[in-house]
Amino acid sequence: AQSVTQLGSHVSVSEGALVLLRCNYSSSVPPYLFWYVQYPNQGLQLLLKYTTGATLVKGINGFEAEFKKSETSFHLTKPSAHMSDAAEYFCAVRGSGYSTLTFGKGTMLLVSP
Amino acid sequence: DSGVTQTPKHLITATGQRVTLRCSPRSGDLSVYWYQQSLDQGLQFLIQYYNGEERAKGNILERFSAQQFPDLHSELNLSSLELGDSALYFCASSATRDYNNEQFFGPGTRLTVL
Repeated sequence: AQSVTQLGSHVSVSEGALVLLRCNYSSSVPPYLFWYVQYPNQGLQLLLKYTTGATLVKGINGFEAEFKKSETSFHLTKPSAHMSDAAEYFCAVRGSGYSTLTFGKGTMLLVSP
Repeated sequence: DSGVTQTPKHLITATGQRVTLRCSPRSGDLSVYWYQQSLDQGLQFLIQYYNGEERAKGNILERFSAQQFPDLHSELNLSSLELGDSALYFCASSATRDYNNEQFFGPGTRLTVL
């Protein structure tokens, strides 16, 4: 069984500030972890993923995430927010040996000038 | 543009009716996934097809069914619609059924049941 908890349905930052979106997971098997972004009226786009190997994963648009097994976390960060980062972000988990994704409820990132 | 297309973009219908949502995967992708996104349930996996065969099932109601055709496009059929079925329905595709394959999402079909 797998589950994902995203802390905070909304996160507000100022342009240029650090972005931190939190994700904790539960998985009965070694997890594969993903962050997706959804812009208004669009489908989901993959930001980054962790499968095996290096625990710090770099993605598109300057985002990165670190897999911490001891904390069962996969938080998403970006050093400096841009207005264009305003969107909804979804963390997802897939157990190795499974093909289906389990998504968190999503976090809406609001960026103010 | 992910390369996954979904039609229609919007659908408004009444309770008790039946609708069909259509998805065309990216060229060459063999796997198709259907998801439902609603405010209360979030994004939920419904069902996966791989090369015409059902591969995995999630939280799909018995009133819902899907199929994947020989040309690899897929249809999601929703019947005896209820108000609670109003949601955004996404289709995604991936190259194979391999667990590492990235899923590419379509723009979604917004279903409103009145």
